[in-house]
Amino acid sequence: DAGVIQSPRHEVTEMGQEVTLRCKPISGHDYLFWYRQTMMRGLELLIYFNNNVPIDDSGMPEDRFSAKMPNASFSTLKIQPSEPRDSAVYFCASSPRAETQYFGPGTRLLVL
Amino acid sequence: GDSVTQMEGPVTLSEEAFLTINCTYTATGYPSLFWYVQYPGEGLQLLLKATKADDKGSNKGFEATYRKETTSFHLEKGSVQVSDSAVYFCALGNQAGTALIFGKGTTLSVSS
Repeated sequence: DAGVIQSPRHEVTEMGQEVTLRCKPISGHDYLFWYRQTMMRGLELLIYFNNNVPIDDSGMPEDRFSAKMPNASFSTLKIQPSEPRDSAVYFCASSPRAETQYFGPGTRLLVL
Repeated sequence: GDSVTQMEGPVTLSEEAFLTINCTYTATGYPSLFWYVQYPGEGLQLLLKATKADDKGSNKGFEATYRKETTSFHLEKGSVQVSDSAVYFCALGNQAGTALIFGKGTTLSVSS
């Protein structure tokens, strides 16, 4: 299996622009997680899905962030409008049973 | 709520030195415990795990024992290599067993 696939790997954008991050989980995994990693706050869980349904979005920082999972093989995390404080590495992870998670390589986002 | 506390880094060692990275947790019930490793520019990878008290997880020469009496899950390796240089995260499963709570990570740097 190719593992969790994320795109783009790097994104540079200007404040106010819309940013869309994409994730393809490992086939057969029922859980999908979005994390944000920064030096100041470490690794934060933003939202997770079970069977394409959002279960817990309490980590989503504010209404500018939204996540969708239209089918079992694709998820997006959108930031609109983006702000410089959103600069971080965003990871997607998938899991067959939630606890043992398999991480993608991450998307490094820089908002200028 | 549930939480994980790791020793702060960075930890700097010479090759073949003994490694200990401390991890303690606060949780209700009996969560599963994990160590993940993140190499530069990559996502997190599961290193080892333990699912009940007194279990020992091991992988690639690393070990950690689930100590319920001290609520700890310290990571050890008898002889580190330069290739072990990475960030190590301790984590526990939440009560529902549906997500992970990560510590802030400990950076290990091994020199030859």
